[in-house]
Amino acid sequence: DQQVKQNSPSLSVQEGRISILNCDYTNSMFDYFLWYKKYPAEGPTFLISISSIKDKNEDGRFTVFLNKSAKHLSLHIVPSQPGDSAVYFCAASDKAAGNKLTFGGGTRVLVKP
Amino acid sequence: NAGVTQTPKFRILKIGQSMTLQCAQDMNHNYMYWYRQDPGMGLKLIYYSVGAGITDKGEVPNGYNVSRSTTEDFPLRLELAAPSQTSVYFCASSTSGKDLHFGNGTRLTVT
Repeated sequence: DQQVKQNSPSLSVQEGRISILNCDYTNSMFDYFLWYKKYPAEGPTFLISISSIKDKNEDGRFTVFLNKSAKHLSLHIVPSQPGDSAVYFCAASDKAAGNKLTFGGGTRVLVKP
Repeated sequence: NAGVTQTPKFRILKIGQSMTLQCAQDMNHNYMYWYRQDPGMGLKLIYYSVGAGITDKGEVPNGYNVSRSTTEDFPLRLELAAPSQTSVYFCASSTSGKDLHFGNGTRLTVT
């Protein structure tokens, strides 16, 4: 029972263009959402987050959008850079369940120069 | 500025052997976690701790044990290793249980 799903295992985009990563969830109790970025042989690093009381959060080139009615969030990277090539995980937490993070399966992004 | 340190980086175990994966953090975080990542999959929570002396099971705890005697350390014990435990193991810590800081992982192969 995957509560957090990233249906696109990979994404290829040209440098300078927009990367859009998608994530769907099923648990309506999730109230906080995060994106992590992971390079090979390293641990995931926190990228950006959004609370369920908001529908958009922006940090430089990264913007996360949350559509609660559709149980969907997305990460936009504009403009994409070669250093953005990595695996991106979305994650969700439920405060009532102790804030344990549930992760999606990841999307591998390749930014071509 | 070490953050979360995991040792060893790599290990090969034979079926039935046991080992302890070490995790230490120097950020004085109360929350600590152990995740495993199988190829092409997301991270699954094995065990977590909200403070010294307190541990609880996550999504996939079978075959593992943990202890949390200090704020800094959160070792993961594998007893009777099985091929299904071949994975990359990540330890993480947090102040709030939300923004996790991860170590660089331990790649474990059981043959």
